[in-house]
Amino acid sequence: DGGITQSPKYLFRKEGQNVTLSCEQNLNHDAMYWYRQDPGQGLRLIYYSQIVNDFQKGDIAEGYSVSREKKESFPLTVTSAQKNPTAFYLCASSHPRTGEGDEQYFGPGTRLTVT
Amino acid sequence: AQKVTQAQTEISVVEKEDVTLDCVYETRDTTYYLFWYKQPPSGELVFLIRRNSFDEQNEISGRYSWNFQKSTSSFNFTITASQVVDSAVYFCALSDLPSNTGKLIFGQGTTLQVKP
Repeated sequence: DGGITQSPKYLFRKEGQNVTLSCEQNLNHDAMYWYRQDPGQGLRLIYYSQIVNDFQKGDIAEGYSVSREKKESFPLTVTSAQKNPTAFYLCASSHPRTGEGDEQYFGPGTRLTVT
Repeated sequence: AQKVTQAQTEISVVEKEDVTLDCVYETRDTTYYLFWYKQPPSGELVFLIRRNSFDEQNEISGRYSWNFQKSTSSFNFTITASQVVDSAVYFCALSDLPSNTGKLIFGQGTTLQVKP
């Protein structure tokens, strides 16, 4: 079955540690996205990548980093510079069609708790 | 600036009631796309519908229906005869075509609770 996997589902870290969240897709989608969701808020875009070896900052990129070495994979690192990292993180992918708004497909999410 | 507003933070209904979730958007584009997603308690967002700005025809899919009105910049979602399994957070989203990034702009979400 095609889809997006994120691991782990729950992650606990001590303050000051970097942590990497995994996102893998087998949908053959070119574009991938990372969103952050906080209680009572919508999704905010952290980083996105439209093609391998290229990625762009979203609206709240500070304290995060990504890589896109393979089409299937788009890991997100939450660094110690992120002041409030506890949140629910969602990864998504889409197959962009030029000039069209494409639906994004989402993974199950990773809930990160930093204490 | 592009924006999506879901004014209803939480809605609670009793099973079998009809419920409408409101979505109002702002954009200066003449071509745009609107979406609805469902987020059940498991957390994963499930794609429900994509509608382009040139198609104002209402759509029905089972118990779900969508009313798109450009005149009022609204894209409302109605669930008929609601069921407990409809309990979820629902997000309306707008495509950010000018940025050519594939980005979606999400509303704050409406939490729907359907009580048995």
